[in-house]
Amino acid sequence: EADIYQTPRYLVIGTGKKITLECSQTMGHDKMYWYQQDPGMELHLIHYSYGVNSTEKGDLSSESTVSRIRTEHFPLTLESARPSHTSQYLCASKSSAGLRTDTQYFGPGTRLTVL
Amino acid sequence: GNSVTQMEGPVTLSEEAFLTINCTYTATGYPSLFWYVQYPGEGLQLLLKATKADDKGSNKGFEATYRKETTSFHLEKGSVQVSDSAVYFCALSGQAGGTSYGKLTFGQGTILTVHP
Repeated sequence: EADIYQTPRYLVIGTGKKITLECSQTMGHDKMYWYQQDPGMELHLIHYSYGVNSTEKGDLSSESTVSRIRTEHFPLTLESARPSHTSQYLCASKSSAGLRTDTQYFGPGTRLTVL
Repeated sequence: GNSVTQMEGPVTLSEEAFLTINCTYTATGYPSLFWYVQYPGEGLQLLLKATKADDKGSNKGFEATYRKETTSFHLEKGSVQVSDSAVYFCALSGQAGGTSYGKLTFGQGTILTVHP
């Protein structure tokens, strides 16, 4: 079983607040990802990282930012939350070592509601 | 670019019924194909995967075969249980060496509800 953690699991905040969603993994995986899952269930890649000090924007444009200062930690920050940011945010990681390491392991998600 | 299309949902079945969830994809080269499952209030869990044509992935009674000729990866289970009620996502990861390698492209998800 994969060891990837997200906190908080649920967050309700007011418009304009700054928030950080935490994601940590204990597997030593070099690659990490953030997905946004809309109420219709579709999943969209918003950020990814291939290692420390590497971050890239994903397929869906997002106002959030990410950082990767340590291998195990990949936090996502919203400087000023808005109701349009209400969604579920899923973090994932995978290793690039070994043969055909395609499998991403997911955390339990953070359900964010912005009022 | 890559894309994944799943059958329209939701799907409602009685316990012990046969399940098929269709999945087709568009991608260049030889992607890896996955089925993930999401139980209520949780993240995604890998259900099964296949990495090359004609491979069959299987787990917990679920099966899917990588069909290159029809670009499909349909999920099947011979006898579903109430505990199988969840959302199922088909996904692909681009071919190694390509620009989309390592990134997952998901289908829209299919809600499965199994009644006793």
